[in-house]
Amino acid sequence: DTGVSQDPRHKITKRGQNVTFRCDPISEHNRLYWYRQTLGQGPEFLTYFQNEAQLEKSRLLSDRFSAERPKGSFSTLEIQRTEQGDSAMYLCASSLVGANLQETQYFGPGTRLLVL
Amino acid sequence: RKEVEQDPGPFNVPEGATVAFNCTYSNSASQSFFWYRQDCRKEPKLLMSVYSSGNEDGRFTAQLNRASQYISLLIRDSKLSDSATYLCVVRASGNTGKLIFGQGTTLQVKP
Repeated sequence: DTGVSQDPRHKITKRGQNVTFRCDPISEHNRLYWYRQTLGQGPEFLTYFQNEAQLEKSRLLSDRFSAERPKGSFSTLEIQRTEQGDSAMYLCASSLVGANLQETQYFGPGTRLLVL
Repeated sequence: RKEVEQDPGPFNVPEGATVAFNCTYSNSASQSFFWYRQDCRKEPKLLMSVYSSGNEDGRFTAQLNRASQYISLLIRDSKLSDSATYLCVVRASGNTGKLIFGQGTTLQVKP
């Protein structure tokens, strides 16, 4: 499978615990995005990387959230001290941006988080 | 006001019907526009980009009106398999790849 993969697909945790999600982008894609989607809403942007550089972070990304892409390939998203409001689908997308800045984002299957 | 607004529906139509979805966006500097399709509990998938001159892909036609900041998607001859949520998407202005999604419009095609 050469698409975007995410792990785990589902996570149930208790409030106050830390969780970490992983995203493996399509090979050779230089941009990697994280979005969050709650029921009945469209995805909301959280952050993105170009290679290993984190270029933009949303106001939604509180200090409990941290994302990394250490070698410009896979990325991790960590949520510390989870809250019930963090329950959502966390989507990863990747793209290959060329010199003309055109890109198509391809989404992974998501990690569904439930905080009890 | 949301940056991208859509009527959430649901739109319930019979097979073979023509259905149209509309979307408005607030940032006049936006440059790129898309429709994504999302099946229940699945990831969004690009349906089509939207160009200023309008574009068609089989039974799907997308149009953009920059003056009114309005995007539309027309589906002709609806199939049962078209049942899904259709997300109107705008790339944020400036040197960013950030996508801004509408709430989505749910379509249910019935036999």
